[in-house]
Amino acid sequence: GDSVTQTEGLVTVTEGLPVKLNCTYQTTYLTIAFFWYVQYLNEAPQVLLRSSTDNKRTEHQGFHATLHKSSSSFHLQKSSAQLSDSALYYCALRRTGGYKVVFGSGTRLLVSP
Amino acid sequence: DPKIIQKPKYLVAVTGSEKILICEQYLGHNAMYWYRQSAKKPLEFMFSYSYQKLMDNQTASSRFQPQSSKKNHLDLQITALKPDDSATYFCASSQVGDTEVFFGKGTRLTVV
Repeated sequence: GDSVTQTEGLVTVTEGLPVKLNCTYQTTYLTIAFFWYVQYLNEAPQVLLRSSTDNKRTEHQGFHATLHKSSSSFHLQKSSAQLSDSALYYCALRRTGGYKVVFGSGTRLLVSP
Repeated sequence: DPKIIQKPKYLVAVTGSEKILICEQYLGHNAMYWYRQSAKKPLEFMFSYSYQKLMDNQTASSRFQPQSSKKNHLDLQITALKPDDSATYFCASSQVGDTEVFFGKGTRLTVV
């Protein structure tokens, strides 16, 4: 079945420095949508970014990610982390027309002053 | 205004009892889901419903039963509650064929 791997459980970064959260996946389907969800403390997960186009950069709220099907990756990056970015980040995929969203295990990002 | 309403927000239950978690969505979506989030499994898919029909069930235990009385309702009945059932249960919805799934704010269940 489909799977998403996030290798870091916790990433800590100093405010103003760049940050990268890793995401790789396995799937046998060709038409897939990829997401980064962000979950703030005591809130529901919400979509931060989404993409289904190979090698196309997508951006939102200062974050960006590029889907690379050749390496099965969809890493999330930001050039300058802010304190307000501290949250739990999930990488996820969904088959186009499918029902289930498959989530990774999540990476907690902690931005310190 | 929240478009996916989950009730109650917090719930404390005794081991062995039964509870129903309520979910209704006002996004006009025709697919609804339940996810569970605990310390052991960060975000775990449980069920998906489309047009009030069960499409996918990833929950091994029959103690978890979704109930859909209307297209925009998907309640979750949990019987014979165990302490391991303690988690936050998220209801979610989307359009069939669309890609983005929207989540409610969750019901935090504690089983003592």
